[in-house]
Amino acid sequence: AQTVTQSQPEMSVQEAETVTLSCTYDTSENNYYLFWYKQPPSRQMILVIRQEAYKQQNATENRFSVNFQKAAKSFSLKISDSQLGDTAMYFCAFMPSRGGSEKLVFGKGTKLTVNP
Amino acid sequence: NAGVTQTPKFRVLKTGQSMTLLCAQDMNHEYMYWYRQDPGMGLRLIHYSVGEGTTAKGEVPDGYNVSRLKKQNFLLGLESAAPSQTSVYFCASSSRTVNTEAFFGQGTRLTVV
Repeated sequence: AQTVTQSQPEMSVQEAETVTLSCTYDTSENNYYLFWYKQPPSRQMILVIRQEAYKQQNATENRFSVNFQKAAKSFSLKISDSQLGDTAMYFCAFMPSRGGSEKLVFGKGTKLTVNP
Repeated sequence: NAGVTQTPKFRVLKTGQSMTLLCAQDMNHEYMYWYRQDPGMGLRLIHYSVGEGTTAKGEVPDGYNVSRLKKQNFLLGLESAAPSQTSVYFCASSSRTVNTEAFFGQGTRLTVV
């Protein structure tokens, strides 16, 4: 069974600084997808960034980037130039790409607070 | 473009009552999921479906049943509600072929008293 672990229940960062959120996962699959989702107080789930396991290059979306270490089963999210609007819960998620087993599993989340 | 729509948004049930939550998506997605979100527990997968007519158990399936008779709809049923099922429920859908991003509904807050 796949599991996703986020070891930091809460984090805080000053506006304009950089913060890194950790995520590790456990799987026997070779091909899969990894995601970071953001959930602001509105409760809406928003995709931040997506990584395909067969791609060695780390994904980047504007101020958001990941450090994907496949051998270590690690998938951390770096937020640069943090903004007040980044305050939210962040969830790491995993989904195998093998047909018929596309179960999307989430970690417990990290509550990020950006301070002015 | 509605995306993923959950019905209802709020509900209060008495212990032992039954209800069905409806999830509808208009994006022709193959995959659909039901999660529950509780403080400190993240999103836990209840049941999921990889196609019309197919369903599978997730991490916390006990006390819930699902059906996917039509590709666009995924129903979550509680046959005999218990206070432990008080939670916020989210439905999500994603495509097999066009990006794997999951799109979420707005959530249903269910209270069982």
